[in-house]
Amino acid sequence: GAVVSQHPSWVICKSGTSVKIECRSLDFQATTMFWYRQFPKQSLMLMATSNEGSKATYEQGVEKDKFLINHASLTLSTLTVTSAHPEDSSFYICSAYWPKETQYFGPGTRLLVL
Amino acid sequence: GESVGLHLPTLSVQEGDNSIINCAYSNSASDYFIWYKQESGKGPQFIIDIRSNMDKRQGQRVTVLLNKTVKHLSLQIAATQPGDSAVYFCAENVRGAGNMLTFGGGTRLMVKP
Repeated sequence: GAVVSQHPSWVICKSGTSVKIECRSLDFQATTMFWYRQFPKQSLMLMATSNEGSKATYEQGVEKDKFLINHASLTLSTLTVTSAHPEDSSFYICSAYWPKETQYFGPGTRLLVL
Repeated sequence: GESVGLHLPTLSVQEGDNSIINCAYSNSASDYFIWYKQESGKGPQFIIDIRSNMDKRQGQRVTVLLNKTVKHLSLQIAATQPGDSAVYFCAENVRGAGNMLTFGGGTRLMVKP
């Protein structure tokens, strides 16, 4: 299957700081990437759809000013959690859509906000 | 399917037995389905997919069955191994919704040696 990477794999930050997570498709060009959040023992919840060269589409209830998404190239999307608070602590996972194929997921980024 | 919250259903099987994991979906417009395996602390891993014009698809040790009449999807794992222990999610794509996936609640598979 296709390879999608995320960086960092885990991050601990203080409340009020901003954290940037990168998602890269390593062996294909992804016009669409997705960002999910997963709480312990729960399923994946879609946060937003990131399209290369255009603004992201956010799911209902997700604050676009808090979770900034940039998809500057066909192989890179970034999620920035601004002014992070403890309730933002979660497992953030990105996926990339391989055209005419399927979605492949990154390994996830665990965020802990103190 | 929607997330079912904090309590994942668990399927416990003996090593070497066959496993069957089930998933119900509600949207009759869903036309593409995927099974993912997620190990603890990792991202979901693609296992197998099926389109709505098929009833069955086989991979290596895995088979996906789709019953559109009752909106039911199943994943069969043959000769289950300890390395198969993980949480399994079904995901559906609704026709016309672009490439967006909606995930089911997940089932935890535990393989006893």
